[in-house]
Amino acid sequence: ETGVTQTPRHLVMGMTNKKSLKCEQHLGHNAMYWYKQSAKKPLELMFVYNFKEQTENNSVPSRFSPECPNSSHLFLHLHTLQPEDSALYLCASSQASEVTDTQYFGPGTRLTVL
Amino acid sequence: GQNIDQPTEMTATEGAIVQINCTYQTSGFNGLFWYQQHAGEAPTFLSYNVLDGLEEKGRFSSFLSRSKGYSYLLLKELQMKDSASYLCAASDSNYQLIWGAGTKLIIKP
Repeated sequence: ETGVTQTPRHLVMGMTNKKSLKCEQHLGHNAMYWYKQSAKKPLELMFVYNFKEQTENNSVPSRFSPECPNSSHLFLHLHTLQPEDSALYLCASSQASEVTDTQYFGPGTRLTVL
Repeated sequence: GQNIDQPTEMTATEGAIVQINCTYQTSGFNGLFWYQQHAGEAPTFLSYNVLDGLEEKGRFSSFLSRSKGYSYLLLKELQMKDSASYLCAASDSNYQLIWGAGTKLIIKP
């Protein structure tokens, strides 16, 4: 079974829409991450959850709202997005976030904001 | 500030050897990762170095020099399927990964 899954794989939305991205990990990990990947730019860490508690919010605009109901599931709620938010959104998980641990990534959601 | 530098793009020939360099500047250091990312797919873990020296894993090897803030990924016996982006990431004092923009490797027959 695939370790980290993400749905949907592709999403097109208008600036006034509300949508959610879903991530699920089947690796028994305790930390989950949201990253934004734009073309030719480094991965940008958005949010980190460790044992369901948010431990990092890297100055992300409030139009992005994360939710982590348990250690296996992570959501990113989107509302009133801007065209510059179009990117690949990657979810990752690791054993924990407070040590150096290998992160395992999902395939990403390709988001286009019109 | 924290920074990772790696070449934007490299081209190599099938069957040859290529070395992808990465230099890093981070506040604290807890190791360096290399990931491979094929177009439209998830980054996948290749290697992790925390001590100086060379780690070999089949056709792929990774080297680290902590004193120089430098790492490289060495790919031998290149195959067409090695065409991908290679991402370098350093773990800082807070165990956050600081990422490079990736090196797109193009393999020609």
